[in-house]
Amino acid sequence: DAGVTQSPTHLIKTRGQQVTLRCSPKSGHDTVSWYQQALGQGPQFIFQYYEEEERQRGNFPDRFSGHQFPNYSSELNVNALLLGDSALYLCASSWGSPNTEAFFGQGTRLTVV
Amino acid sequence: AQTVTQSQPEMSVQEAETVTLSCTYDTSESDYYLFWYKQPPSRQMILVIRQEAYKQQNATENRFSVNFQKAAKSFSLKISDSQLGDAAMYFCAYRVLQGAQKLVFGQGTRLTINP
Repeated sequence: DAGVTQSPTHLIKTRGQQVTLRCSPKSGHDTVSWYQQALGQGPQFIFQYYEEEERQRGNFPDRFSGHQFPNYSSELNVNALLLGDSALYLCASSWGSPNTEAFFGQGTRLTVV
Repeated sequence: AQTVTQSQPEMSVQEAETVTLSCTYDTSESDYYLFWYKQPPSRQMILVIRQEAYKQQNATENRFSVNFQKAAKSFSLKISDSQLGDAAMYFCAYRVLQGAQKLVFGQGTRLTINP
């Protein structure tokens, strides 16, 4: 079992550009959540996808958008990048039942210059 | 809104000793989960221990145990017989019982193990 895999592991972008991050959930998981972790902080919830729809959204601007595919993999898109978007982006997958554990990937380190 | 607070930015302990990490939270819900996650330099969040709020018995996982005080909204993690591999950032997290599985994290505590 490969667990949760994220790509790329590191990324450098310029202000104003757009970026797409990818996540493949753990085998058997149908729910994907995205978190932003600024340096020295705890992760902040961005949004969650279930059955290809956004189920819940955190306090992030519309520049942050996502998608879930029929195979449950997911993308996080960020438009018009700001320096403040520099962070570790974590993907977590779980099974739809509330009584299940979320498994995390190793994250994508995004640096905006 | 639910919030999670970890008041200890850094802690250190001697190898083989015991250390306790503190966490408090705020919620109006009566049913929820509480978690401790470990984040080593590899960056991957690893679940250490989980507590269901409706269970009075404190959760234990080998050398890791919690002290869950529901009325005080306190959820501390005790690590016994500390090992060098325990060095990491530790995050306390909260999740409601039903609905979306959004985790609310604290700011983290950096744990150093001194040999």
